[in-house]
Amino acid sequence: DAGITQSPRHKVTETGTPVTLRCHQTENHRYMYWYRQDPGHGLRLIHYSYGVKDTDKGEVSDGYSVSRSKTEDFLLTLESATSSQTSVYFCAISEEPSGEQYFGPGTRLTVT
Amino acid sequence: KNEVEQSPQNLTAQEGEFITINCSYSVGISALHWLQQHPGGGIVSLFMLSSGKKKHGRLIATINIQEKHSSLHITASHPRDSAVYICAARGAGNMLTFGGGTRLMVKP
Repeated sequence: DAGITQSPRHKVTETGTPVTLRCHQTENHRYMYWYRQDPGHGLRLIHYSYGVKDTDKGEVSDGYSVSRSKTEDFLLTLESATSSQTSVYFCAISEEPSGEQYFGPGTRLTVT
Repeated sequence: KNEVEQSPQNLTAQEGEFITINCSYSVGISALHWLQQHPGGGIVSLFMLSSGKKKHGRLIATINIQEKHSSLHITASHPRDSAVYICAARGAGNMLTFGGGTRLMVKP
């Protein structure tokens, strides 16, 4: 298994509070991705990174920001959480942009 | 925007049956991925293919580029194959567009 961890694995937070999810990899892969998974929508790309300090928006980036200050860490921040951001969040990594992606275990976030 | 459709959405089979899950997409792609999501939520990459057929154990994935269609077959199905199977099409900018998944239950 690719060495990818996500923290926390579960979080309950209140509307309006900031939340940061962390993805950590030990594979030294250049590309990292944040997805959210919701019933009826499948997996959707939030943001991705193609190197340290290099990030770009995905399909559903509104309300989210990311940072990557080290190869191994990719942070997803919800500046002011809303109930619509209740979801399961998956991090993924890949060595090449056209290569296989390896997924982390997921973080279940509930915004009340 | 690529539209990726999977069928069926839900599938129940008896142990030993041959299973087929279908995936169709609307726009030309560079590759098609098949993923398996375990009941506990973890996602595992099964195949990445751009043409023809790939086989791994009891799993076979095929793709027809002209028809914009891919299939995942499971031979001699087993209860441990119970999972959600997801296809994803790699399109412009190497971005993946995911299907909604097929929930498979294999009964003993």
